[in-house]
Amino acid sequence: QVQLVQSGSELKKPGASVKVSCKASGYTFTTYSMNWVRQAPGQGLEWMGWINTNTGNPTYAQGFTGRFVFSLDTSVSTAYLQISSLTAEDTAVYYCARYDLKPDYWGQGTLVTVSS
Amino acid sequence: EIVLTQSPGTLSLSPGERATLSCRASQSVSSSKLAWYQQKRGQAPRLFIYGASSRATGIPDRFSGSGSGTDFTLTISRLEPEDFAVYYCQHYGSTWAFGQGTKVEIK
Repeated sequence: QVQLVQSGSELKKPGASVKVSCKASGYTFTTYSMNWVRQAPGQGLEWMGWINTNTGNPTYAQGFTGRFVFSLDTSVSTAYLQISSLTAEDTAVYYCARYDLKPDYWGQGTLVTVSS
Repeated sequence: EIVLTQSPGTLSLSPGERATLSCRASQSVSSSKLAWYQQKRGQAPRLFIYGASSRATGIPDRFSGSGSGTDFTLTISRLEPEDFAVYYCQHYGSTWAFGQGTKVEIK
C-alpha cells in the first residue's frame, strides 16, 4: 500500500536549519511529483511548491524562495525539505503530498517548532 | 494566481442535517483540477473529492461534489458524527491553491 512517512518533530532555535524527510513506499517513486504544504498553528494549508522526482527540478511557490530547498534521494525513495535561517514564523506542520493526476496521498506531517 | 474563497467560515449543524459548502475561484478553473479535503485536528488532510465530483477511494456516497467555472460545492447529504471537521477546497495542476477552510461543527 502507498505510504508517505515523514520524519519526526523538530525543535530548533532561531537561525538554525532543519531538514524534513518524506519516505515513499508502495509505488514507483519517480512516477509522481512531490509537493510540500505548510500549515501554521491554527491556520489553513499553504502550498510551498513541488519537485520533479524524475529530474530533481524544484519549483517554489511565491514566498518560499531563498531559504527553502527541495531535494531527493531516489535510491531510498525519499524527498527532503530543508529550511535555513529559521524564525518563529516557520513554526508549522509541514506535509509532503504526491501528485500525478490527483494529489491522493499525503504524509502524516512534521511539526517544526522554532523557539529560543 | 488563483485565489479560492470558501463560505461560510463555520457551519453549525446537527447530525442528520444536510451541509452545503461553497468554494469560489477568482478566475475560471478546470473542474478536472478541483478537490475537496477533510482535516481533523492533529491529522493530515484527507482527499475526499477530486475532479470536482469524483469521490476518492473509501469516501461514502453521502459526500458529493459539483460545480464548474468559478463556483464549486461540496454537499454532505446527512451529517454523521465523524463528518464534523474542517473542509478545504483546492485547485491543483502546475500550481496549487487552497481555500481558507470551512469548519463544520456540531450545533
